[in-house]
Amino acid sequence: DAGVIQSPRHEVTEMGQEVTLRCKPISGHNSLFWYRQTMMRGLELLIYFNNNVPIDDSGMPEDRFSAKMPNASFSTLKIQPSEPRDSAVYFCASIPGQSNTEAFFGQGTRLTVV
Amino acid sequence: GQQVMQIPQYQHVQEGEDFTTYCNSSTTLSNIQWYKQRPGGHPVFLIQLVKSGEVKKQKRLTFQFGEAKKNSSLHITATQTTDVGTYFCAGPGSARQLTFGSGTQLTVLP
Repeated sequence: DAGVIQSPRHEVTEMGQEVTLRCKPISGHNSLFWYRQTMMRGLELLIYFNNNVPIDDSGMPEDRFSAKMPNASFSTLKIQPSEPRDSAVYFCASIPGQSNTEAFFGQGTRLTVV
Repeated sequence: GQQVMQIPQYQHVQEGEDFTTYCNSSTTLSNIQWYKQRPGGHPVFLIQLVKSGEVKKQKRLTFQFGEAKKNSSLHITATQTTDVGTYFCAGPGSARQLTFGSGTQLTVLP
């Protein structure tokens, strides 16, 4: 397996534009997490899916952020409209079952909003 | 909600010196995990501790889980330049989400 695959690796966009980040979890993993990492706030959990269903989205900053998992092999995180303060590295991670097992992270998407 | 704090935030050591990072949770944890993130990389799983008072070793790394299962530590003996990175602890939340500590950024000076 190629591991968790995220795209794009880098994204530069102008303030106000829509941004969509994509994640393909490891096949057979049924839990998926989106994290945001910044120097100031560290690694923040944005949303957690289990069996494609959002379980905890309390970390989603505001209504500009939305996440979907239409099937077991694909998830998106959308920011509309984007703002400079959204600049960060966004990680997707998947877990085989429950949170008491190893999380596998993707390479991340480095988002810069100018 | 659950909070996982780590200290120190930053640590600079001379190569060959020891290093320790501490993790404290506001709630009792069923297990705790440790991850390492190299500069420019992504977090990579190191180990999981489950039992109260558990101690595990990986070469120069020693991991401990507190008796009350609310704290943990990672100790590196005789650091090397390859140990550079940020070390995170992580624990499961009430909804089984994985919550990460604030991390300790380790710099090893040659």
